[in-house]
Amino acid sequence: GAVVSQHPSWVICKSGTSVKIECRSLDFQATTMFWYRQFPKQSLMLMATSNEGSKATYEQGVEKDKFLINHASLTLSTLTVTSAHPEDSSFYICSANDWDRGYEQYFGPGTRLTVT
Amino acid sequence: TQLLEQSPQFLSIQEGENLTVYCNSSSVFSSLQWYRQEPGEGPVLLVTVVTGGEVKKLKRLTFQFGDARKDSSLHITAAQPGDTGLYLCAGVNTGGFKTIFGAGTRLFVKA
Repeated sequence: GAVVSQHPSWVICKSGTSVKIECRSLDFQATTMFWYRQFPKQSLMLMATSNEGSKATYEQGVEKDKFLINHASLTLSTLTVTSAHPEDSSFYICSANDWDRGYEQYFGPGTRLTVT
Repeated sequence: TQLLEQSPQFLSIQEGENLTVYCNSSSVFSSLQWYRQEPGEGPVLLVTVVTGGEVKKLKRLTFQFGDARKDSSLHITAAQPGDTGLYLCAGVNTGGFKTIFGAGTRLFVKA
């Protein structure tokens, strides 16, 4: 149980375009989902927390207009990287909370974004 | 600001050796999780500890939560190459609304 999927698993896009990443909880309802960014050989950096039906809460230093987050249902959150630049290239990981189980976060497999 | 210090940051050992990874904080956590992440994949939950002094075992892995719920350790006995990966500890604050991740310990077990 507590499976989280992400799509796509990798994407290459041109500078200036936008990319949407989907995060789905497959076997539970996720009131809260989290988006992280991870640079090579580093730990996770929390970007934002999204609650179903409300606006996401962004961490300090994360541009909300650049990283658009939508959490329209209890099983789906999306992260859109707008006007992507090469420095946005990274590994993006989502996680979801199943409050019925506890405070653990269940992570998706990640999406590797490369902006050329 | 709550911080969770994880050590060591990097560990390279021979197959069969034992090792311990530590997570320390000055803050009290309501629970603490340990995750393992392999390259190109998302972290996978290994265990959650909740009670001060709690010890949990998962095959060759032993997890301990400090009595004061401010620190935790992960001990691996007879490490194997398959244990190679990034180990992350994560503490949930007492309000339950925020999870703080340690910087991670990158373990490499040589055959």
